[in-house]
Amino acid sequence: ETGVTQSPTHLIKTRGQQVTLRCSSQSGHNTVSWYQQALGQGPQFIFQYYREEENGRGNFPPRFSGLQFPNYSSELNVNALELDDSALYLCASSPRTSGYPSTDTQYFGPGTRLTVL
Amino acid sequence: GNSVTQMEGPVTLSEEAFLTINCTYTATGYPSLFWYVQYPGEGLQLLLKATKADDKGSNKGFEATYRKETTSFHLEKGSVQVSDSAVYFCALGRDSNYQLIWGAGTKLIIKP
Repeated sequence: ETGVTQSPTHLIKTRGQQVTLRCSSQSGHNTVSWYQQALGQGPQFIFQYYREEENGRGNFPPRFSGLQFPNYSSELNVNALELDDSALYLCASSPRTSGYPSTDTQYFGPGTRLTVL
Repeated sequence: GNSVTQMEGPVTLSEEAFLTINCTYTATGYPSLFWYVQYPGEGLQLLLKATKADDKGSNKGFEATYRKETTSFHLEKGSVQVSDSAVYFCALGRDSNYQLIWGAGTKLIIKP
């Protein structure tokens, strides 16, 4: 069973640029959540995707957007990068067997370290 | 609003010492509570969870009991090992709210 994978591992961008981060969910998992983890802090929820639709969103501006594909993999896009966007971006997948949202066990990838200069 | 507060680290212990990492929460209703661990260079892994009051989650010698009366979910282990060195995160989740809300994490250092 393949776990959650993320690419790239590290990324360096400059202010104002755009970035796309990718996540492959664990086999059989149809729900993907994205989190931002600043250095020395706990993760902050960005949004969740279920069956290719955004299922909920945290307190992040619209320049953070995402997609989920039919194979349940996902992308996180960030436009107009700011210095404060520098962080570890975590993707987590989980199985959801009913139509009701669940915070059941989430399986995390290793993250993408984004540095904005 | 919902929030999680953890004891600040780093916590430094000798091997075989008793461990407690405090976690308290603020939430309406009946959240699920989690402990995740992040080993150096790795992603977050679920360590244990509890979904209702008085439940005890346990895994790899770690335990935590969901205490509604004190709104706490303290992590304990009777005898720590060097391999337990990691950052530990307490989190809460609500089925109706699909997101996990996290504490700031507590770094644990175990010395041989």
